[in-house]
Amino acid sequence: DIQMTQSPSSVSASVGDRVTITCRASRDFSSWLAWYQQKPGKAPKLLIYAASSLQSGVPSRFSGSGSGTDFTLTISSLQPEDFATYYCQQADSFPLTFGQGTKVEIK
Amino acid sequence: EVQLVESGGGLVQPGGSLRLSCAASGFTFSTYSMNWVRQAPGKGLEWLSFISSSGSAIYYADSVKGRFVISRDNANNSLYLQMSSLRAEDTAVYYCARMKLRSGELSSPDYWGQGTLVTVSS
Repeated sequence: DIQMTQSPSSVSASVGDRVTITCRASRDFSSWLAWYQQKPGKAPKLLIYAASSLQSGVPSRFSGSGSGTDFTLTISSLQPEDFATYYCQQADSFPLTFGQGTKVEIK
Repeated sequence: EVQLVESGGGLVQPGGSLRLSCAASGFTFSTYSMNWVRQAPGKGLEWLSFISSSGSAIYYADSVKGRFVISRDNANNSLYLQMSSLRAEDTAVYYCARMKLRSGELSSPDYWGQGTLVTVSS
């Protein structure tokens, strides 16, 4: 199984800040990595797929990059509605696996 | 508009069974692979099971293999999860999630239902 490890586990930031979340895989894999945003009591929302492709309707302040084992989600200018928990997920092989999540909190 | 609506959750005793359903609308259900994903209270996301568009390919997480069975009814745009031998650690919100289309390759869930809560307790 491919283990996904996110860092940091939580980050405190202010509106307008640039936020970067990292996801590291336990082994090298193809670049189909996804990022999700989840708000309390709500279902996850797909933000990024294939490591760097923006899902339709997602604001352009979200971007993804990386390949191999190291991937990054960047929020270029944090907005009030972006305070949430973010998860990475690999789709190289079954079982599909998620990172443990990164909570973005208000500073 | 894509909609996925789960139902069938509730309180069940350890060792019991439950069948979850997911009603799909707003897209051609028979074209898409589907998944079940769960989230224990205060915890992260755990993928449980995948079924291909035709139902010919099925995969499970080790944590539920042999206890849970995924199935689908394309004529009625429905996805199911039959859960048996339930344990306290199966307590979670269960989501059905549509797999993003990607020809011949694995992808990621792109639309999720609102979830249904399963509580396993005596």
